[in-house]
Amino acid sequence: EVQLVESGGGLVQPGGSLRLSCAASGFTFSSYWMHWVRQAPGKGLVWLSRIHSDGSTIYADSVKGRFTISRDNAKNTLYLQMNSLRAEDTAVYHCVREMNTGNYRTADYWGQGTLVTVSS
Amino acid sequence: DIQMTQSPSTVSASAGDRVTITCRASESTNSWLAWYQQKPGKAPKLLIYQASSLESGVPSRFSGSGSGTEFTLTISSLQPDDFATYYCQQYNSNPWTFGQGTKVEIK
Repeated sequence: EVQLVESGGGLVQPGGSLRLSCAASGFTFSSYWMHWVRQAPGKGLVWLSRIHSDGSTIYADSVKGRFTISRDNAKNTLYLQMNSLRAEDTAVYHCVREMNTGNYRTADYWGQGTLVTVSS
Repeated sequence: DIQMTQSPSTVSASAGDRVTITCRASESTNSWLAWYQQKPGKAPKLLIYQASSLESGVPSRFSGSGSGTEFTLTISSLQPDDFATYYCQQYNSNPWTFGQGTKVEIK
């Protein structure tokens, strides 16, 4: 069974940093591209970042230069380092697996998410 | 970025009803369109990909159609477990973008 379990969320002051983790199991983690998607309270889904199985990355403009996605294939873990946090970064952060069949691929499994609250 | 717009924002329906949700894209996404179901406090669940392909394990009462800029999710006979929020998402180009969601609530 595919499982994605996020951790590391919490309350942080504006300008602070936080590192989220996502523990993956039930599949060959190193073979899949992975993403982070967030959801502000009561709002919709917003894509943030993607990392290929080879480590190459892309980011949404809203987090470029502040957030860094990374992975440790030996530990089956995805990370999101978040710096210079702002109130508008308050959201539930979901770890997402991209399907690995087909030329155009979307998300097939999501974690339940971890809540990040940025407030003084 | 491609903008995705869903309608309606809320649907009030009863068990057994047929429910249709529409998703429009600001430019063509070809058929690279997915639908997700999300319940409060839970992870989104993939229902439909490539506009009309049913994800494994998803009940056949869910169906998707459309191409280009206009897409539809239909629930043929609403079940109690289907009361949730539904999102469309395009993956034709980066970044992935989502509709604002359609809440299906009990009438």
